[in-house]
Formats: sequence, structure tokens, C-alpha cells
Amino acid sequence: GQSLEQPSEVTAVEGAIVQINCTYQTSGFYGLSWYQQHDGGAPTFLSYNALDGLEETGRFSSFLSRSDSYGYLLLQELQMKDSASYFCARNDYALNFGKGTSLLVTP
Amino acid sequence: DSGVTQTPKHLITATGQRVTLRCSPRSGDLSVYWYQQSLDQGLQFLIQYYNGEERAKGNILERFSAQQFPDLHSELNLSSLELGDSALYFCASNPSGSSYNEQFFGPGTRLTVL
Repeated sequence: GQSLEQPSEVTAVEGAIVQINCTYQTSGFYGLSWYQQHDGGAPTFLSYNALDGLEETGRFSSFLSRSDSYGYLLLQELQMKDSASYFCARNDYALNFGKGTSLLVTP
Repeated sequence: DSGVTQTPKHLITATGQRVTLRCSPRSGDLSVYWYQQSLDQGLQFLIQYYNGEERAKGNILERFSAQQFPDLHSELNLSSLELGDSALYFCASNPSGSSYNEQFFGPGTRLTVL
């Protein structure tokens, strides 16, 4: 089953910064990935952390701390098009997804 | 567009029936993954194939089966369908079959069981 916890919903204002947290229960995985999914669409890859620390890709950054069993996705300069669901996923032999966080960006 | 194609886009069928979902991976990708997304269970890994061989199994029911053909396309067969099988079914592909590589998802097949 899924052992990753994420907030179910987050709301933020256009232009702001938002952080989506992901905590997990088990260890011994390859890394933590983040995927974005717009309503009814295909999940698309955003970021991957194999090692502890921060990975930056444009407006999106992701962080992993294995010792704290914790990761987060940071979205900066929020745009309306960032309204979507965001999933953290543990990279085992396949992707083990959390239940996702629905982000609503308001004007 | 990820380069992964899935057919059909939508499928409506009745309980007890059998359906086949089809996936063509990106050109050059050897590995195909199948996922089920439902409101209550979220995105769940079902099964993975690599170059024609089953590599890993997740939460796949015994009523479900899959295969990957020599041309690398894959089919997911769902039988004795139940109302609870209504979901979005995604396939994803990547070149190496390693889960630490990015996976490219297809647009999904929405299955409705009535």
C-alpha cells in the first residue's frame, strides 16, 4: 500500500511560493520523484532526488532528507497554470505514489 | 505529448465482461509500466514489463493480466469486470526499466463499468 503522506489540498496566490511536503514510512528506496497531473491528464515528471539535498529545475525545486523521512516540492513564482495535482512517489522497482496534493492558484 | 499512446481513450462496459487496453511505448523504450488511478486508491502500480518479460508486479488482481509483445507494445487484459474496476488506466514507459529514471505516461484509458 501507499506509505507516503501529503496534504490533500493547498491554496496559494499567483506569484507566491508554495511548499508541498511528503513524508514516508519506509526506507531502502532509490529516491523520491515528483509528478504533476492536470485534471484527467497524464502525470508528467517534475523532479527526482536520489541523494539528500535540493534539486532545482527552473521554478520548481525538490528536497529530500532520508534521515528525516521527508521531502518537499517548492514551487516559486506561481502561475495559474500550476493549478494541478502534485504527487510524490517513492522510486522502488516501480513508482509508489502518494495520494497527491491538489494545488489551487488564485489571482 | 509524451510519445506514449494508449487506446482506446474511453471504454464503457458491463460487469462480468472482459476488455483489453493497449499501450505503445515511446520509440526506443524497452520497459512498460501499468498503473490504475481511482478516486479512493489513488495511482497504484500494477505491473511492469521489460523487453517482453515480466519484471515486477504490484497490486494487480488475479483477474487482470498483461503481456508485452515483440514490437514492445503492451496489452492489459481485465476480466470478470466489477464496478470497482472503473478507473483511469495509465501506461508509462522508459528506456532502461529502472524506476529511478523518469517515466513517460500515456494519456490513459478511462474505463467505466456499469
